[in-house]
Amino acid sequence: GQNIDQPTEMTATEGAIVQINCTYQTSGFNGLFWYQQHAGEAPTFLSYNVLDGLEEKGRFSSFLSRSKGYSYLLLKELQMKDSASYLCAVVDSNYQLIWGAGTKLIIKP
Amino acid sequence: ETGVTQTPRHLVMGMTNKKSLKCEQHLGHNAMYWYKQSAKKPLELMFVYSLEERVENNSVPSRFSPECPNSSHLFLHLHTLQPEDSALYLCASSQGDRGSYNEQFFGPGTRLTVL
Repeated sequence: GQNIDQPTEMTATEGAIVQINCTYQTSGFNGLFWYQQHAGEAPTFLSYNVLDGLEEKGRFSSFLSRSKGYSYLLLKELQMKDSASYLCAVVDSNYQLIWGAGTKLIIKP
Repeated sequence: ETGVTQTPRHLVMGMTNKKSLKCEQHLGHNAMYWYKQSAKKPLELMFVYSLEERVENNSVPSRFSPECPNSSHLFLHLHTLQPEDSALYLCASSQGDRGSYNEQFFGPGTRLTVL
């Protein structure tokens, strides 16, 4: 079967750095998305990786290793507003999106 | 106008009621989706419409009935639901036909409670 694994919950301190990991086992691979979802709100797009390596976008970076079936989202200089759930999703060989259950990130002052 | 809108935002219904969820996208996209989001579970894709034709139905119970009258509007008709159907129902849209993949834009969701 197809599977996406990410930690259920993480806690970090304001101003610090946090890395949220995502491992996947899917039938084929056509890219990996990260979305952010604040409580009671719509998921919003953060990043898309299809090639190996690190993509940086301001305080957020996303890394992909296709050979390891692994990605991470790196958040720097954490702010209270970064408290949210972070969803990892992989596009399989049929161009279907396979979603992880999300990681709830709690930021403490 | 916000990209993807959904109404109502909250809905409480009994198991014998009939109700409909509405989604509208203002992005000019040609694909629309219904998802079910339950606590601590992955998003579950329910229906996909591309160019107003349903292309996927992931074995969703018949008590959920989608309708896509045009590329901007999507409905989910609900009848004789069960308490386990209580969840957040998200609508999304994207640009691109089958065989390509593009970012999905989500609406804020309808929080459904079935009593």
